[in-house]
This record gives sequence, structure tokens and C-alpha cells, in this order.
Amino acid sequence: AQKITQTQPGMFVQEKEAVTLDCTYDTSDQSYGLFWYKQPSSGEMIFLIYQGSYDEQNATEGRYSLNFQKARKSANLVISASQLGDSAMYFCAMILNKFYFGSGTKLNVKP
Amino acid sequence: GAVVSQHPSWVICKSGTSVKIECRSLDFQATTMFWYRQFPKQSLMLMATSNEGSKATYEQGVEKDKFLINHASLTLSTLTVTSAHPEDSSFYICSARASSSYEQYFGPGTRLTVT
Repeated sequence: AQKITQTQPGMFVQEKEAVTLDCTYDTSDQSYGLFWYKQPSSGEMIFLIYQGSYDEQNATEGRYSLNFQKARKSANLVISASQLGDSAMYFCAMILNKFYFGSGTKLNVKP
Repeated sequence: GAVVSQHPSWVICKSGTSVKIECRSLDFQATTMFWYRQFPKQSLMLMATSNEGSKATYEQGVEKDKFLINHASLTLSTLTVTSAHPEDSSFYICSARASSSYEQYFGPGTRLTVT
């Protein structure tokens, strides 16, 4: 069964605008972690942001914030003030006993 | 942050030969290492989990005799693709985790092409 779902295969955003990448997850565990990674064309997985299931406040890291809605089991990534260098694949992931990755969203930032 | 290296970063080999990929944690002790493969425009697929000093746990559908994993020390794990075939061509990524954390630190990946 799919544990992490990313419903947006591709997204476009205008430079300097904000964009939200969707992620929903499925687990009955109470303790889990949610991650977002960026993968540019080079292939390297770059850690962006982490949210623990018990964290009450939404995680923020610079221009990245995670909109964590536990009841809805969603963990959307918000990128503010998009930059051309943000163009990449973005993966949502959940850690239980191992990592589960979503199918990814390809973000294109237009100048 | 923690650094994980992979070597080589890319390799081309002939069909039928074996290829070894190394994954090293440079500044921490990795009690657990993970091996993933990624086909173009697809997500990461976990192949196996290895704990230092014990046998790797393979995911369903992954041939353990074809993809040999060794985790002999707390800083090194190796993946050997034996008798490689063109369909084994892929991007292989390792990640490492310290016992004190459940965050994974990813290596830069190895692009394997089998001709």
C-alpha cells in the first residue's frame, strides 16, 4: 500500500512567487518523521526540512516551511520567494522502521 | 552536517562483469546503511538495509545473490552488482544513519551503465 503520495508530477512557478508541493501519508503509527528532499539533475539528495509527528509547530528552514496537518495526514512543503535554482525534483519521505519515499514532484521555476 | 561519500560516482562496465560500489560515512559512525536504486524520472527504491556486522536485509524482489552487500565496519558499506546486465543500469544511492538519530544522510550516488 502506498504510504507516501505526491499527486503533482510537475509544477511550474514564477520566480519570486511562493509554491506549495503536496504530500499525504498513511500510517497508523503514532511516532514517525516526515522529510522533504530536493534532488537536482546531479542526482544528489539534499535534505530540506524535517517534521516529527509529535512536533506541534510547523517546521521552518529559511525559505522552506512544512505545513503539517496531522488530522489530514498531510505534510505539504511551501517554498517562499522561488528562485531559479529551486528547479529540481522534490521528494516527500516518511520514516517508520525505514524510509518511504513519494513519487516526487518536478518543480520548474520560470524567470 | 554529516557527510557520506560514494565511489565511484559513475562507472561503465561490460555485461557479465561485476562492479563494486563503496559508501562511506566520513564524520560519523553509521550503524545502519541503506542502498537504493533509482531509474530515470522515478523515485528511490529501497533495495536493502545493512547493519554493521550482520547480514543485510533485502527488500522483496531484490536478488540477494546478485546484489551483494557488505557492511564490515561502522564507516563502510559496499554493494557489488554481480554479473551485471544492461537492465542493471541505474543510479545507485546509499544513505547512512547513526544509532542516535533516525535521519539518513545520503551519498551523492553512483551512475552505473552496463553495456
